[in-house]
Amino acid sequence: GDSVTQMEGPVTLSEEAFLTINCTYTATGYPSLFWYVQYPGEGLQLLLKATKADDKGSNKGFEATYRKETTSFHLEKGSVQVSDSAVYFCALEGAQKLVFGQGTRLTINP
Amino acid sequence: DTEVTQTPKHLVMGMTNKKSLKCEQHMGHRAMYWYKQKAKKPPELMFVYSYEKLSINESVPSRFSPECPNSSLLNLHLHALQPEDSALYLCASSLRAGGPDTQYFGPGTRLTVL
Repeated sequence: GDSVTQMEGPVTLSEEAFLTINCTYTATGYPSLFWYVQYPGEGLQLLLKATKADDKGSNKGFEATYRKETTSFHLEKGSVQVSDSAVYFCALEGAQKLVFGQGTRLTINP
Repeated sequence: DTEVTQTPKHLVMGMTNKKSLKCEQHMGHRAMYWYKQKAKKPPELMFVYSYEKLSINESVPSRFSPECPNSSLLNLHLHALQPEDSALYLCASSLRAGGPDTQYFGPGTRLTVL
């Protein structure tokens, strides 16, 4: 069945560091791919999405490119801020439902 | 406007209580979802409604009873819950079920079962 694998956390970085959170997937066909972010005590917010191969999703300085050949959708940001501290979930659109990775907890220190 | 609202924000109930969670969206979405999220875990899908009809039930115990009275409203009725049902319950909606449509999530109801 469909599945998503994220790099294990927690990840701790200093402010202005470069961020990469790895995400790979297994699926039949070419599903849409998403990154959601969850701040403490809140629900999930869509961060970015890509619907086909080579699409690049971007938002708030975050980027991810849909790589069909490596079945990956890695999240990157060039310079993180303390306010980026949250849990990040990679997900794919399966049959009428989202399939989530396990989540990566990110902490940014000033 | 991409807002999904959920009430209440917090709920504490005993194992013999009956309570309901409410979810509302006014984006014209025709698919609505209930998820359960335990601490430090991803959300787990419970139910999917498509055009006000239940289309997916992920083998959820009958003590959870969903209801979709109209295209904007989704309820989750709770009865005789167990302490292990304590979790964050998230509602989401999308234009349609399946396909590339984004699911928009509400802030959740944090449920504690005593």
